Amino acid sequence: EAGVAQSPRYKIIEKRQSVAFWCNPISGHATLYWYQQILGQGPKLLIQFQNNGVVDDSQLPKDRFSAERLKGVDSTLKIQPAKLEDSAVYLCASSPGTGQPSETQYFGPGTRLLVL
Amino acid sequence: ILNVEQSPQSLHVQEGDSTNFTCSFPSSNFYALHWYRWETAKSPEALFVMTLNGDEKKKGRISATLNTKEGYSYLYIKGSQPEDSATYLCALMGAGSYQLTFGKGTKLSVIP
Repeated sequence: EAGVAQSPRYKIIEKRQSVAFWCNPISGHATLYWYQQILGQGPKLLIQFQNNGVVDDSQLPKDRFSAERLKGVDSTLKIQPAKLEDSAVYLCASSPGTGQPSETQYFGPGTRLLVL
Repeated sequence: ILNVEQSPQSLHVQEGDSTNFTCSFPSSNFYALHWYRWETAKSPEALFVMTLNGDEKKKGRISATLNTKEGYSYLYIKGSQPEDSATYLCALMGAGSYQLTFGKGTKLSVIP
């Protein structure tokens, strides 16, 4: 079974530039998550989709971050314009979407973003 | 916002040593606890999901216990190997929530 795919793996940009990340979840998984992991911190949930609807985006900085999940499958996360403090690893995860608290989330390898 | 604490932040052990880490969480707000292992440049890998007080899970040389009454979980590694070097993350799903709150992780380095 193929895992969660993410691209690019690494990205270096200058502040005020725009950047986009792509995620392809495990086939059949209804729930998709984007996390931000800043160095020295644990991953923080930015947005959660159930199929192509947003379940939770309370921690997404909406003035600069946006995300969409096309046709309930792939997803893109965009930052526009980027700030220095956006330097982090952006992780995508997916899960079957049963709603059980014991449901495992499966993670991709992440995109490492450096904003100069 | 839930507070999930992990200790120690990092540790170095010799190959063959056994070790353990702690994950602490609010005992009043518990639904499930997840443990993940994250090796450098790889995807975080799910190790265990624990839901019941007194749960014990085992996977090879790694095991975990859960105490929901006092709000902690221990992860044990028996006979550490260099391939165990990774960051170990615990994540809490609080009651009434459907999102995971992660701790900062424990970074383990196993010296050959």
